[in-house]
Amino acid sequence: AQTVTQSQPEMSVQEAETVTLSCTYDTSESNYYLFWYKQPPSRQMILVIRQEAYKQQNATENRFSVNFQKAAKSFSLKISDSQLGDTAMYFCAFMNSGGGGADGLTFGKGTHLIIQP
Amino acid sequence: DTAVSQTPKYLVTQMGNDKSIKCEQNLGHDTMYWYKQDSKKFLKIMFSYNNKELIINETVPNRFSPKSPDKAHLNLHINSLELGDSAVYFCASSSRRGQLLDNEQFFGPGTRLTVL
Repeated sequence: AQTVTQSQPEMSVQEAETVTLSCTYDTSESNYYLFWYKQPPSRQMILVIRQEAYKQQNATENRFSVNFQKAAKSFSLKISDSQLGDTAMYFCAFMNSGGGGADGLTFGKGTHLIIQP
Repeated sequence: DTAVSQTPKYLVTQMGNDKSIKCEQNLGHDTMYWYKQDSKKFLKIMFSYNNKELIINETVPNRFSPKSPDKAHLNLHINSLELGDSAVYFCASSSRRGQLLDNEQFFGPGTRLTVL
């Protein structure tokens, strides 16, 4: 079984600053996917970014990028030029790609990110 | 167009009652899931269904039963509700082709269940 650890329960930064959310995971699988989901107060789960473990290149999506260190089993999320709308819970998640996602997502406990004006 | 929908969005009920939450997806996905988010925001997989077949069943009480009338629907039935069942329940769907994950999971808006 895999585990996902987010060690920062809450973070607060000023608008326009850059912030990094940390995530580590533990697995014996070699092929897997990693995700960051955002959950604003509306409680909708929104996919922010995904990374395939077999890809060495770090994924980027506009202001969001990841630092994927497979050997260290680390998957941090960097948000550049943070905006008030980025205020939300952020969840790191793992999915074993073997079995076609049948295992579902394993989530970390989340980081509550607050962007201050 | 709503990709994954759940009804109801809010459900308040008494202990001991039986209730159902419905989930429908119009994405043509073949795998659907139920997740539970507790009061501390922790999300955990409950069930996964692929082509009407239960794939995984985490250690949830057997008072919870998923029912899939067709590929587009996965309903969650809960019998003899308990206070500890109060949570937000999310339905999600994804697509796979054989053993390959074809897409990420799309989540419904969640159903907040409150047991009094």
